[in-house]
Amino acid sequence: DIQMTQSPSSLSASVGDRVTITCRASQSISSYLNWYQQKPGKAPKLLIYAASSLQSGVPSRFSGSGSGTDFTLTISSLQPEDFATYYCQQSYSTPPTFGPGTKVDIK
Amino acid sequence: QVQLVESGGGVVQPGRSLRLSCAASGFTFSSYGMHWVRQAPGKGLEWVAVIWYDGSNKYYADSVKGRFTISRDNSKNTLYLQMNSLRAEDTAVYYCAREGVWFGELFSYYYMDVWGKGTTVTVSS
Repeated sequence: DIQMTQSPSSLSASVGDRVTITCRASQSISSYLNWYQQKPGKAPKLLIYAASSLQSGVPSRFSGSGSGTDFTLTISSLQPEDFATYYCQQSYSTPPTFGPGTKVDIK
Repeated sequence: QVQLVESGGGVVQPGRSLRLSCAASGFTFSSYGMHWVRQAPGKGLEWVAVIWYDGSNKYYADSVKGRFTISRDNSKNTLYLQMNSLRAEDTAVYYCAREGVWFGELFSYYYMDVWGKGTTVTVSS
């Protein structure tokens, strides 16, 4: 199985900050990388698919980049509604695997 | 609107069984693969199982293989997860999710684009 890691595991940031979250795969997964946002008590929400494609309806302050083993989710200007946990997930092979998550909270 | 609604969760003793359902609406259910994903209390997301759009292929996480069975009834727009021999470590919120696909220039990319709100399964004596 492909192992996914994320860094940092948590971060504190202020509204307006630029936030970057990193995801790394244990082997090359090309661009088969998705990002999800989850708020407490809620289902995950797809943000980015295929490493850099923005899901319909997701604000453009979210962006994704990377290929191979290293990927990045960037929030260009953090908004109050962005405080949440973010997960990466590889869809290169079965089983699909998720990273452990990065919790973004208010500084 | 596109919607998935899970049901069937509850409190069950170790070793017993439970069947979860996921009712789909607002899209052509029979055209999509479907996943079950779970989240233990305070933990991250764990993929459980997937079934192809026509039910022809099914895959499971090692942690549930041989105990859980994913199935679907396309005439009822419903996905199921039969869970047998339940263990304490199966305690989680169970989500169903639709498998979306994007056809790139050379490859197809898969993701989970629609999620239900989840149903809670607690395995405890």
